[in-house]
Amino acid sequence: AQRVTQPEKLLSVFKGAPVELKCNYSYSGSPELFWYVQYSRQRLQLLLRHISRESIKGFTADLNKGETSFHLKKPFAQEEDSAMYYCALRLGAGGTSYGKLTFGQGTILTVHP
Amino acid sequence: GAVVSQHPSWVICKSGTSVKIECRSLDFQATTMFWYRQFPKQSLMLMATSNEGSKATYEQGVEKDKFLINHASLTLSTLTVTSAHPEDSSFYICSAGTLDRAYEQYFGPGTRLTVT
Repeated sequence: AQRVTQPEKLLSVFKGAPVELKCNYSYSGSPELFWYVQYSRQRLQLLLRHISRESIKGFTADLNKGETSFHLKKPFAQEEDSAMYYCALRLGAGGTSYGKLTFGQGTILTVHP
Repeated sequence: GAVVSQHPSWVICKSGTSVKIECRSLDFQATTMFWYRQFPKQSLMLMATSNEGSKATYEQGVEKDKFLINHASLTLSTLTVTSAHPEDSSFYICSAGTLDRAYEQYFGPGTRLTVT
């Protein structure tokens, strides 16, 4: 069965500092990896996905199949980045559970002024 | 586009009663809807996957007789918590997806259920 691990429950940095939120996964096939963000009192929303290879709000994430990781990075954190971040895995097309997401435990990021 | 709503946003009910939560896709037709449960500052736990017109698929450990899911149309799924108990108090979140959008999931705002 697939599994997503976010080893840090809490992460605090100062404004302008680099930030990296770690995510490791276990799955024998070729999964799709996502980062979701949940700001205070708001709904969960997609931040970015590995297949897009895009930068959203200054965040990037690279899928490292060798290390089975998908860490989220931003070179200069902002106070408005403070939120709960979830790494998620979705089975690739052709799987019997296509569309189903498996979430990590989440990391609460706090960016101090 | 791709807005998902939930109703009610919060509900308080007495132990032993049933409560229904609605999940609607407002501007697209959702072939698949998902129901999650979230505990404070914790992860989302998938409860079930519901496809329009067919029975829901429940995750291991989720009581299907307790959490009744109905997906009668492409824009509406309901979760009914039957004979609710205090331990059912939680934040319930739905999401909706469709093949047209590569099954990207769009999340509702959640429903806070408190059972007294």
